Amino acid sequence: AQTVTQSQPEMSVQEAETVTLSCTYDTSENNYYLFWYKQPPSRQMILVIRQEAYKQQNATENRFSVNFQKAAKSFSLKISDSQLGDTAMYFCGRTSYDKVIFGPGTSLSVIP
Amino acid sequence: DARVTQTPRHKVTEMGQEVTMRCQPILGHNTVFWYRQTMMQGLELLAYFRNRAPLDDSGMPKDRFSAEMPDATLATLKIQPSEPRDSAVYFCASGRQGEYQPQHFGDGTRLSIL
Repeated sequence: AQTVTQSQPEMSVQEAETVTLSCTYDTSENNYYLFWYKQPPSRQMILVIRQEAYKQQNATENRFSVNFQKAAKSFSLKISDSQLGDTAMYFCGRTSYDKVIFGPGTSLSVIP
Repeated sequence: DARVTQTPRHKVTEMGQEVTMRCQPILGHNTVFWYRQTMMQGLELLAYFRNRAPLDDSGMPKDRFSAEMPDATLATLKIQPSEPRDSAVYFCASGRQGEYQPQHFGDGTRLSIL
């Protein structure tokens, strides 16, 4: 089965510190996209960052960056200068043709 | 900003009742997805449509669930009869086929079956 794995069900980080959320996936496709979505308590699903598999350069979006290791099928999310508003569930996902397959999520708590 | 609109936001009903959830995708998006989110299973893809045609509904219990797109501005997900195990948050998302654009999610319908 082609799956997305997030091995950390829960994590916490002190405000202003840096935290890394891990994600690994399985795929037989050559070209695909990877995403991180954030789901705060309001339950909205908010796109955080996106990576195209054919691009070697890691995507960055303000305080959010990824470490994409294509050979290892790894796609971790680094949050720098964590803020209280970063407290949320984070879902890693990858495209499978038109669909997106999501991991089980990591619950991140930012502690004041 | 364009948004995916889902109604209702919340629904509480008794077991056995019919439930209909509605979704208005973003104008110009030709792919619509229905997901179910529970604590145990996470985000499950139930079905998706491209240009209003169902492409994959393998994630959906066929005996009680049905999904349709009567027109390009409306997608519906029906449960009949509903059961307590259907209690979950149901998300609709839309996107454009072929552009590998991220899906845009609605705010979800929280469904509680008593």
